[in-house]
Amino acid sequence: DAGVIQSPRHEVTEMGQEVTLRCKPISGHDYLFWYRQTMMRGLELLIYFNNNVPIDDSGMPEDRFSAKMPNASFSTLKIQPSEPRDSAVYFCASTRQGSGANVLTFGAGSRLTVL
Amino acid sequence: DAKTTQPPSMDCAEGRAANLPCNHSTISGNEYVYWYRQIHSQGPQYIIHGLKNNETNEMASLIITEDRKSSTLILPHATLRDTAVYYCIVRALYGGSQGNLIFGKGTKLSVKP
Repeated sequence: DAGVIQSPRHEVTEMGQEVTLRCKPISGHDYLFWYRQTMMRGLELLIYFNNNVPIDDSGMPEDRFSAKMPNASFSTLKIQPSEPRDSAVYFCASTRQGSGANVLTFGAGSRLTVL
Repeated sequence: DAKTTQPPSMDCAEGRAANLPCNHSTISGNEYVYWYRQIHSQGPQYIIHGLKNNETNEMASLIITEDRKSSTLILPHATLRDTAVYYCIVRALYGGSQGNLIFGKGTKLSVKP
């Protein structure tokens, strides 16, 4: 398996623009997580899905952020409009229900810079 | 979930054992101890987990005290590539909310030549 695939790896955009980050989880995994990492706040859980259904989005900072999982092999995190304070590394992770549920596999991350 | 306490940083000489402590004095009976690490500019990586028995895999060993209030991650022969931030997380395996791990600040391990 190729692991969790995220794109783009790097994104530089201007304030006010829409940003879409993409994630392909490991095949067979039924949980998908979006995390954000900054120097100030560390790793923060934004939202997670189980069987494509959002379970907990309490970590999503505000209405400018939205996430979808239209099928088991694809998820998006969208920021509209983007702001400089959204600059961070965004990680996607997946896992499988059961004994390994807390063993997450993370993607390489998408580094977002909003100017 | 039980809160964990880790030292902010540690140094280790290359080739020596790195022993990373974690305090989790409020751990519940159904909570496991998980260790992850994050090498610079990469996503976090799972290392090992345990409930009450000591565990060993190809990456590390996990020693959990008998009262389960603390644990130690051991990297037996640290290399420069083990330089990373190490996170100790306590989490129940079942009971809903599986997998949404909360990462603290971790311990920054610097392996020096």
